[in-house]
Amino acid sequence: DVKVTQSSRYLVKRTGEKVFLECVQDMDHENMFWYRQDPGLGLRLIYFSYDVKMKEKGDIPEGYSVSREKKERFSLILESASTNQTSMYLCAIKGTGEEKLFFGSGTQLSVL
Amino acid sequence: AQSVTQLDSQVPVFEEAPVELRCNYSSSVSVYLFWYVQYPNQGLQLLLKYLSGSTLVKGINGFEAEFNKSQTSFHLRKPSVHISDTAEYFCAVSDEDTGRRALTFGSGTRLQVQP
Repeated sequence: DVKVTQSSRYLVKRTGEKVFLECVQDMDHENMFWYRQDPGLGLRLIYFSYDVKMKEKGDIPEGYSVSREKKERFSLILESASTNQTSMYLCAIKGTGEEKLFFGSGTQLSVL
Repeated sequence: AQSVTQLDSQVPVFEEAPVELRCNYSSSVSVYLFWYVQYPNQGLQLLLKYLSGSTLVKGINGFEAEFNKSQTSFHLRKPSVHISDTAEYFCAVSDEDTGRRALTFGSGTRLQVQP
């Protein structure tokens, strides 16, 4: 089975803190994605990466950055967390030439 | 830019009744279309996909969807729902003409199956 592991299921942080969300895959897939899921808004793409050290902005990159130093790990960074970044964060992976996304179980982040 | 519209945020239905969840998209000529399902407290999983060929696509758990190019729609249907189908359903599109690797998702439809 494909495994997409997100380091934390629930996370509570304070406004202004630097937050790291980690995603690790065991499939050797090139493409990795970070989405946020909000009620009534569905999933919105924050950033994605199609290779080590490569990244591209998605639809809502403001306030976020990413890091991909190794193929299996894709990190989402909130440089200075704000309350409007309270959300469910989903990591997904996809192989080159494939169309199916595999999702992690998500991290529910609350910024107080 | 591509976009996906799911007009119904919630669809209540009685068990064993038929259901249709609507999805319309906006994109260039070539698209791949998907439906994902998210059961309560679980991650998203693929329900079905349209890549090419027959416009009627069958997925898991008795669901099917029909790609209608002229109406730019990809509605999801099931002839008889079960309580266990209660979940949130997301329509998504991938625009192959631009080579965009990421999927664009709709806002979701919460299906509530009542006994």
